[in-house]
Amino acid sequence: EDQVTQSPEALRLQEGESSSLNCSYTVSGLRGLFWYRQDPGKGPEFLFTLYSAGEEKEKERLKATLTKKESFLHITAPKPEDSATYLCAVTGNQFYFGTGTSLTVIP
Amino acid sequence: DAGVIQSPRHEVTEMGQEVTLRCKPISGHNSLFWYRQTMMRGLELLIYFNNNVPIDDSGMPEDRFSAKMPNASFSTLKIQPSEPRDSAVYFCASSLQGFVGEQYFGPGTRLTVT
Repeated sequence: EDQVTQSPEALRLQEGESSSLNCSYTVSGLRGLFWYRQDPGKGPEFLFTLYSAGEEKEKERLKATLTKKESFLHITAPKPEDSATYLCAVTGNQFYFGTGTSLTVIP
Repeated sequence: DAGVIQSPRHEVTEMGQEVTLRCKPISGHNSLFWYRQTMMRGLELLIYFNNNVPIDDSGMPEDRFSAKMPNASFSTLKIQPSEPRDSAVYFCASSLQGFVGEQYFGPGTRLTVT
């Protein structure tokens, strides 16, 4: 059965403390893995799409990587404005969102 | 472009009443999605339209839920009759490439059924 699991559920970081969020998936025939950011009271905002193992994409302090079983969202020297829920989604035969990681960056 | 537009932003209704949520996708996008988000279940896909045709409605929870897309610039999600367990935030999203492309989400409609 297709499944998407994100960890940790919640993460608190000091400003400048780099870390990684994980998205593990079991999907038949992966056609794309997506990362979104969601701020409270708003809809998810697209960040990255990864299509094949080994692919990497970067945007400011964020870097997304993909293997055959998981994706990581690396956050380098985070700032308080990076606080949000980060959602992973995968497309195979079906489309699924993970339950997200709530990130809090403390000044 | 104004992005995906949803209305109303907030809706409070009594159990048994009909609720209609509205969505205007981004101009030129051929795919439209309706989602429901709750703390317990996260973000759930309800229905997916491509070129105004419903392609996958397997996520629609019950016959009380129905969705239409009469043209490329408008879609509705209707709940009749509404129940307290339908309380959630409902999002509409659109994309250029179905599930393979990035989706652009609206601000959502917060529905409360009392």
